[in-house]
Amino acid sequence: GQNIDQPTEMTATEGAIVQINCTYQTSGFNGLFWYQQHAGEAPTFLSYNVLDGLEEKGRFSSFLSRSKGYSYLLLKELQMKDSASYLCAVGDSNYQLIWGAGTKLIIKP
Amino acid sequence: IAGITQAPTSQILAAGRRMTLRCTQDMRHNAMYWYRQDLGLGLRLIHYSNTAGTTGKGEVPDGYSVSRANTDDFPLTLASAVPSQTSVYFCASSESVAGGNEQFFGPGTRLTVL
Repeated sequence: GQNIDQPTEMTATEGAIVQINCTYQTSGFNGLFWYQQHAGEAPTFLSYNVLDGLEEKGRFSSFLSRSKGYSYLLLKELQMKDSASYLCAVGDSNYQLIWGAGTKLIIKP
Repeated sequence: IAGITQAPTSQILAAGRRMTLRCTQDMRHNAMYWYRQDLGLGLRLIHYSNTAGTTGKGEVPDGYSVSRANTDDFPLTLASAVPSQTSVYFCASSESVAGGNEQFFGPGTRLTVL
């Protein structure tokens, strides 16, 4: 079966760094996406990894290891507005996205 | 530029009624998708369309149908609603289904079936 695992909830402090992990088992692999979703809103795209390594985009970075079926999203200099759910999704052999249940990130002052 | 719009924003529906959720995009994207999102679960694909005139079944298609008569519109129909179809429904689109194309999401429709 296909499976995406990520922690249900994490808490971090404003100004700190947090790492959200995602492990996956899918039929085929066509890239890994991270999306942000604020409560009551639609998901919005954050990053895409298809090759191993780190992709940096401002305060957000995403890492991929295809051999380990593993990715993480790193958020630096946390701000209160980063309080949201972070969704990991993997493109399967048919290019359809398989989604994790999301990690709810709570930022405390 | 609106991106993707969905209607209605929310709806309460009696079981057994027919309902169509509307989705329109103005980005000329080839691929469109319907997902449902339930608490504690990831987004689940209901139906998709790789290009106008074609549709396919996703992970949870039972009880739902779609059509793609043109590039912009991708309505989702519940023929006879049941309480288990209570969910938040998101429509999304991407340039194509090829890898690396991010999906853009509409604001969602919150549907309650009683």
